[in-house]
Amino acid sequence: DAKTTQPTSMDCAEGRAANLPCNHSTISGNEYVYWYRQIHSQGPQYIIHGLKNNETNEMASLIITEDRKSSTLILPHATLRDTAVYYCIVRYTGNQFYFGTGTSLTVIP
Amino acid sequence: DTEVTQTPKHLVMGMTNKKSLKCEQHMGHRAMYWYKQKAKKPPELMFVYSYEKLSINESVPSRFSPECPNSSLLNLHLHALQPEDSALYLCASSPPTVVGQPQHFGDGTRLSIL
Repeated sequence: DAKTTQPTSMDCAEGRAANLPCNHSTISGNEYVYWYRQIHSQGPQYIIHGLKNNETNEMASLIITEDRKSSTLILPHATLRDTAVYYCIVRYTGNQFYFGTGTSLTVIP
Repeated sequence: DTEVTQTPKHLVMGMTNKKSLKCEQHMGHRAMYWYKQKAKKPPELMFVYSYEKLSINESVPSRFSPECPNSSLLNLHLHALQPEDSALYLCASSPPTVVGQPQHFGDGTRLSIL
């Protein structure tokens, strides 16, 4: 079974960079990596996605290793509002989006 | 504000009831999805519709019956559910022919089976 794994939980000090890793060793071909976050009782919120190159937007940066088997989401200056569960998702053939195990990030004042 | 609207937000039903969950989007997306999320677990893919046709069914029990009557609407019909079916049910949509574009999620329907 394809499986995307993430650390169960992480802490980050407010104002510091949060680096969230994801292992997707079974990724292949033109399969994209997406990152979402979910705050309790809400739907997942899109953050960023990428294929091979590193990506940056107003929310975060995404670093994908050269072999594409892992990636890291970087929140450059974490705030208390960034406390959430962060999911790494791989889009397999067609429209099959499968969530990783998720990382619960707590930003500490 | 979410661009994918799910109703109702909460639903309590008995095991013999029949109910439906509704999902609507007006972004012109032609792929729509149902996910099931248990507490403290990631969402699990249930069904995928592409151009109003069912393209993926992840071996979901027949007591869950999806329907896509048009390009903006997705329903999930529920019948004879079990207590273990209590969960958050999420709907999402995406443009299927635009490579790499992300999904947009609704805020879900929280379902409780008595």
